[in-house]
Amino acid sequence: QSALTQPASVSGSPGQSITISCTGTSSDIGAYDYVSWYQQHPGKAPKLMIYDVSNRPSGISNRFSGSKSGNTASLTISGLQAEDEADYFCCSYTRYYSRVFGGGTKLTVL
Amino acid sequence: EVQLVESGGGLVQPGGSLRLSCVASGFTFSGHWMSWVRQAPGKGPEWLGNIKTDGSEKYYVDSVRGRFTMSRDNARNSLYLQMNSLRAEDTAVYYCARDQAGYFGLDVWGQGTTVTVSS
Repeated sequence: QSALTQPASVSGSPGQSITISCTGTSSDIGAYDYVSWYQQHPGKAPKLMIYDVSNRPSGISNRFSGSKSGNTASLTISGLQAEDEADYFCCSYTRYYSRVFGGGTKLTVL
Repeated sequence: EVQLVESGGGLVQPGGSLRLSCVASGFTFSGHWMSWVRQAPGKGPEWLGNIKTDGSEKYYVDSVRGRFTMSRDNARNSLYLQMNSLRAEDTAVYYCARDQAGYFGLDVWGQGTTVTVSS
């Protein structure tokens, strides 16, 4: 199972919006509405930000939103804040009860 | 407080074995599937597999199937990962994580334990 494809880095200024893409195949993202997104600060464990494509867990800011079209999922962060600077990973359910993560995107807040 | 705490990591020679543990607190452990995820230095996470609430079903990623075995003891609120025939490429931080009930996110993570496979 190959990792999902994410851009290595994205950047934006405070207050702006950015979108991180996550491209998979018809066997994972394209087949299931089970994409999740995780935020990871250096030296910390990942934190769930979005589940099942577009749902936010309790306590996650509504500045974070998720969507999907075909084999590509997207995470949008609006109103960028300094604390949003982190690595972001997507993850999709795939066939045979498995899951696959993306390689990660480093978000820099300028 | 909902919490997962891993232990058991360390330095092991290629071909060796190691058993990781994960103790849960603050939630009904027996009500959740549990996953193991690892992350090699500078890389994205890799989902290793998960285990059903009662331990009756287990799913593994191809890279560890046949070498790693997950188990759980609900009476002890504990999750385990037995790792055999370890290779250099198994070097990573290993996390246990809670599967959301009814959804497909991993909503609680431990702090991780480091496994280094080297001679």
